Amino acid sequence: DIVLTQTPLSSPVTLGQPASISCRSSQSLVHSDGNTYLSWLQQRPGQPPRLLIYKISNRFSGVPDRFSGGGAGTDFTLKISRVETEDVGVYYCMQATQFPHSFGQGTKLEI
Amino acid sequence: QVHLVQSGAEVKKPGASVKVSCKASGYTFNMYGLSWVRQAPGQGLEWMGWINPYNGYTTYGPNFHARVTLSTDTFTSTAYMELRSLGFDDTAVYYCARDRIDQIGIDGEHWGQGTLVTVAS
Repeated sequence: DIVLTQTPLSSPVTLGQPASISCRSSQSLVHSDGNTYLSWLQQRPGQPPRLLIYKISNRFSGVPDRFSGGGAGTDFTLKISRVETEDVGVYYCMQATQFPHSFGQGTKLEI
Repeated sequence: QVHLVQSGAEVKKPGASVKVSCKASGYTFNMYGLSWVRQAPGQGLEWMGWINPYNGYTTYGPNFHARVTLSTDTFTSTAYMELRSLGFDDTAVYYCARDRIDQIGIDGEHWGQGTLVTVAS
């Protein structure tokens, strides 16, 4: 089974400053179809998760362009160019390349 | 507009079973997969399993394959998650989420609102 490891687990940030979260996979996430099914989700307190980024770097509909994703193979990164108040929450990477799907432990973004 | 609407909160005794529903609307139900994910209080997301509504294929996470059954009713566009032999550590919010099938769709694109299952004696 694929294990995703996120760092850091907690990230104090300053409004207007950048933030970055890393996700490392125990195996390559390249699917046999050529795609890499690595996504990033945001979860605000008391709400369901919300998709931000899919297939490494594709911003989902309605997601502000200050969010960006990158990486390849086993190492991936979520970047926020300028943190805003509404970005507070927990961020998860998720792989759907192989069953069972799996999540990283989550990174708590705190202002 | 896609919606996944889950059934209401449940309180169960240890050893009992629970069945949570997830009613889909706004899209062709058979074209997308559905995952079930749970979140214990204060904890992270845990993937439970996935179902293909088109052919009924299911696959389960390693912690659940003996106790979970996923099913769908294509006539009502509703997915179900049944968890048996509940223990106190099954207290969690349970989510359904729409996933892709092959290269159609996006994993985790839409989520239900969550269903709180509380196991208490």
